Amino acid sequence: QQQVKQSPQSLIVQKGGISIINCAYENTAFDYFPWYQQFPGKGPALLIAIRPDVSEKKEGRFTISFNKSAKQFSLHIMDSQPGDSATYFCAAKGNTGKLIFGQGTTLQVKP
Amino acid sequence: DAGVIQSPRHEVTEMGQEVTLRCKPISGHNSLFWYRQTMMRGLELLIYFNNNVPIDDSGMPEDRFSAKMPNASFSTLKIQPSEPRDSAVYFCASSHMGSFTGSWQPQHFGDGTRLSIL
Repeated sequence: QQQVKQSPQSLIVQKGGISIINCAYENTAFDYFPWYQQFPGKGPALLIAIRPDVSEKKEGRFTISFNKSAKQFSLHIMDSQPGDSATYFCAAKGNTGKLIFGQGTTLQVKP
Repeated sequence: DAGVIQSPRHEVTEMGQEVTLRCKPISGHNSLFWYRQTMMRGLELLIYFNNNVPIDDSGMPEDRFSAKMPNASFSTLKIQPSEPRDSAVYFCASSHMGSFTGSWQPQHFGDGTRLSIL
């Protein structure tokens, strides 16, 4: 019940295209859903986060869509750029403050 | 602003040796997290501290692993004795944690220590 399932494992998108990464969870006590971006040799960095009482949050080219009834949320990267090539992790925060991370998605944006 | 600082960045040592990883959290943060990242298991939380006190160590794999936070600006993760299966990237993260519900400050990660046990 503490798991966060993320898909796909890897994704290749053409420059200018839309990248979509999906996550699903079981625990309805989770109260924050952040997305982290990780470049090789670096630690994960917060990209965008959403609370379960909001259905969508947009920051620049990055949008989180949240479906509370389905217990699913997704990251959309519009106008994907080669610089977006990285590993993306979804996560969920429980009431203890711990983050449960998905397995990660490696995104490659081809020029 | 200085971020989370981890040292060393790389460590290569032989099986059976003691390994100590170090972390300096962001000043003013009161929570510190140690994670391990591998291809097989992804990003796993090992232990976290709040106000220098260990809150949850359920992710620590076995007694060979120990972590301390003697003060608000320093933490160590020790493996003794080390084994090849401990090879991974170890991350430290910090955040400011107020009440657990209704608010959340993101965790800021260091750049990790890449540990190789031969």
